[in-house]
Amino acid sequence: GENVEQHPSTLSVQEGDSAVIKCTYSDSASNYFPWYKQELGKRPQLIIDIRSNVGEKKDQRIAVTLNKTAKHFSLHITETQPEDSAVYFCAASNYGGSQGNLIFGKGTKLSVKP
Amino acid sequence: KAGVTQTPRYLIKTRGQQVTLSCSPISGHRSVSWYQQTPGQGLQFLFEYFSETQRNKGNFPGRFSGRQFSNSRSEMNVSTLELGDSALYLCASSLESGGATGELFFGEGSRLTVL
Repeated sequence: GENVEQHPSTLSVQEGDSAVIKCTYSDSASNYFPWYKQELGKRPQLIIDIRSNVGEKKDQRIAVTLNKTAKHFSLHITETQPEDSAVYFCAASNYGGSQGNLIFGKGTKLSVKP
Repeated sequence: KAGVTQTPRYLIKTRGQQVTLSCSPISGHRSVSWYQQTPGQGLQFLFEYFSETQRNKGNFPGRFSGRQFSNSRSEMNVSTLELGDSALYLCASSLESGGATGELFFGEGSRLTVL
């Protein structure tokens, strides 16, 4: 089945710097890659997603890139702010195939220091 | 529109007991997925139900089971509890299968402590 690896497990940046979180997946048939943000004590929430027919997607200060050949995708956060501090999870799925459900990475704890 | 509701929010059990957790999805959502969240292990997929049928199952022992009712509400059961079952159990609903439309709407979770 699908396996998603996420790095780094913790990331600390200064306010205003950029943050990059990387994920790799094992199933070349995976075609959907969302990112979820979980603030302390709260539920995970979708922040951005990308499908396999797109190489990059942006939404204000966040962007996701996908390299299907290398089977990896990344989350980029620019001009980080203290409210970006949270745990970020990447995920992958192959809808229509044997693994339609989302498989998540283990998460990255991002700390943005003011 | 009401969000995903999970009950109970907190519970404490002892080894060997069994537990049932409940999840009410967003109205109109037909898919319910269950995840176990532990520190350092992230969100581990338990199973997904769609229109009362188990669609997918993760790599958990048979002590973990679930079901979905005709109103899309779902329950999961863990029998013969072990200390390692202590975790936050998250339920998530979506219109279709979670991997299809993408967005999973999570509940606040049921925090299980096994003593």
